[in-house]
Amino acid sequence: QQPVQSPQAVILREGEDAVINCSSSKALYSVHWYRQKHGEAPVFLMILLKGGEQKGHEKISASFNEKKQQSSLYLTASQLSYSGTYFCGTPNNAGNMLTFGGGTRLMVKP
Amino acid sequence: EAGVTQSPTHLIKTRGQQATLRCSPISGHTSVYWYQQALGLGLQFLLWYDEGEERNRGNFPPRFSGRQFPNYSSELNVNALELEDSALYLCASSPGEGSSGNTIYFGEGSWLTVV
Repeated sequence: QQPVQSPQAVILREGEDAVINCSSSKALYSVHWYRQKHGEAPVFLMILLKGGEQKGHEKISASFNEKKQQSSLYLTASQLSYSGTYFCGTPNNAGNMLTFGGGTRLMVKP
Repeated sequence: EAGVTQSPTHLIKTRGQQATLRCSPISGHTSVYWYQQALGLGLQFLLWYDEGEERNRGNFPPRFSGRQFPNYSSELNVNALELEDSALYLCASSPGEGSSGNTIYFGEGSWLTVV
């Protein structure tokens, strides 16, 4: 089953913060976050493997709540380069493929 | 180190024809995944190959097929093309044995347009 992302789209001014949520109807063992800029391939941001684990990439961090079956991506002091579509991916029960959410389109304006 | 490479970059086909897309994984990666991304939509899982065998397939009709070669490269074949097959086809690779704890790395994709 496909994870659900929210919001579907966000418009920010440079320097503002944003949170992107990813939730699943089934138990989560890991969550993968990717960013795709227009016309480019999705680029790996981070993977969270344990419940409660938080990871960071520049001013982008993420948390993983196994009990709530959700993950959140935090973008702090957003930069123009953060614009793109963010996808979360979760493995199936067998752990042999990633199913991606519908994506969250983020636009950062000057 | 070279990333995942895909060819062709763009392909235009007529409805009913067949399309073949190719992918070379990162050196040392044995798993190859194919995803379809229709315009403005999310990433839909198509196929997963590992060590030359099809390990899993998504909810797509049998006219979507592929194979993995001994050098771990892969090709995706789409037969009897339909207009709704127009999409970006992304290939990704990982070190193998599934993607639960392994990061998958995407190629630039192949744009398929069916007219």
